[in-house]
Amino acid sequence: DIVMTQSPSSLAVSAGETVTINCKSSQSLLYSGNQKNYLAWYQQKPGQSPKLLIYWASTRQSGVPDRFIGSGSGTDFTLTISSVQAEDLAIYYCQQYYDTPYTFGAGTKLELK
Amino acid sequence: EVQLVESGGGLVQPGRSLKLSCAASGFTFSDYAMAWVRQAPKKGLEWVATIIYDGSSTYYRDSVKGRFTISRDNAKSTLYLQMDSLRSEDTATYYCARHIGVWGQGVMVTVSS
Repeated sequence: DIVMTQSPSSLAVSAGETVTINCKSSQSLLYSGNQKNYLAWYQQKPGQSPKLLIYWASTRQSGVPDRFIGSGSGTDFTLTISSVQAEDLAIYYCQQYYDTPYTFGAGTKLELK
Repeated sequence: EVQLVESGGGLVQPGRSLKLSCAASGFTFSDYAMAWVRQAPKKGLEWVATIIYDGSSTYYRDSVKGRFTISRDNAKSTLYLQMDSLRSEDTATYYCARHIGVWGQGVMVTVSS
């Protein structure tokens, strides 16, 4: 199974700060046939279901604010949230869909400082 | 508006069965692979199963293989998860999800005597 390692596990921020969440996979998620990275990012707010933010490692889902930026390739990926707002407080998960079992990172909890 | 609505959850004894349903609307259901993902109380996300667009291929995590069956009825735009021989460790909120896309609100399954 592909292991997804997220860091940090939690992050305390002030509104307006820029934050970076890291996700590392135990094997490459880059498929040579189409040069795409099979990596997605989700946001889960308390009491809600997860919401897709980013897919193909860097493609923003329709309606997602442009302060959410996905980057990286191969085994190392990053979700950057610029100018964090109170509504961004949530748990963020990365997921690989390169191979089954599709696996998630353990999550990064974004909290207010 | 894309919408996924799960139903069929509840309290069930160990060893018994339960069938979840997920009614899809707002998109062409038969064009998309669909999945079930679960989340145990206060825990992270765990992929359970995926079925491709026409139902001809299915994929499961090892811990549910042979016990759970994912299926779909494209004429009814509905996804199913038949869960047999349920165990206490299957207790979770079960989410229906379009493959790397929108998720439903989730349905709780509690396995307990």
